[in-house]
Amino acid sequence: GAGVSQTPSNKVTEKGKYVELRCDPISGHTALYWYRQSLGQGPEFLIYFQGTGAADDSGLPNDRFFAVRPEGSVSTLKIQRTERGDSAVYLCASSLWGDATDTQYFGPGTRLTVL
Amino acid sequence: AQKITQTQPGMFVQEKEAVTLDCTYDTSDQSYGLFWYKQPSSGEMIFLIYQGSYDEQNATEGRYSLNFQKARKSANLVISASQLGDSAMYFCAMREGRNTGNQFYFGTGTSLTVIP
Repeated sequence: GAGVSQTPSNKVTEKGKYVELRCDPISGHTALYWYRQSLGQGPEFLIYFQGTGAADDSGLPNDRFFAVRPEGSVSTLKIQRTERGDSAVYLCASSLWGDATDTQYFGPGTRLTVL
Repeated sequence: AQKITQTQPGMFVQEKEAVTLDCTYDTSDQSYGLFWYKQPSSGEMIFLIYQGSYDEQNATEGRYSLNFQKARKSANLVISASQLGDSAMYFCAMREGRNTGNQFYFGTGTSLTVIP
């Protein structure tokens, strides 16, 4: 079956602009996660959805970051007033809630570059 | 304190040899899960293997096995019969009990290079 997909694969924007990053999880997966990976680092948790609601948004760095999942499937990560420090790869993952392992399956990521 | 520690920034292994990638973790939960992911240069995180904290036997998946030492809080990945395609970054990750959230904590990764 299809895995997690993310669009766009690359996004270049200017400082101060608004960007949206999209994630389409594995069909049937109710849990969806966003992570940010900076160069040479492991992924860092941003936010986790169970269904339509954000179950844990403790990893969002500030109020410029926001994410939605209105129908419990596709999610959009929104970044306002982008800064150069926001440049990173944004990874999305999904898992099947109730699965014994809660294994998260990742998409290919969106590489965001803020000039 | 770091939840996941990977102390080997880079490792080299001869093709067809075995290699062990180290991972230690820190949690006070009794129920947790440990995962290893492979990240090739293409960037996608590929799930390799899972070990639950209550599993008594070490997990194995093909050429991958997880050397789980609970008392030492270590979860080392062993790759047997290395192949050139194994060259990648490898990340150890932990999910703590569901009552404390469902996020994964990742280490800083180990870059593995397989030498022909």
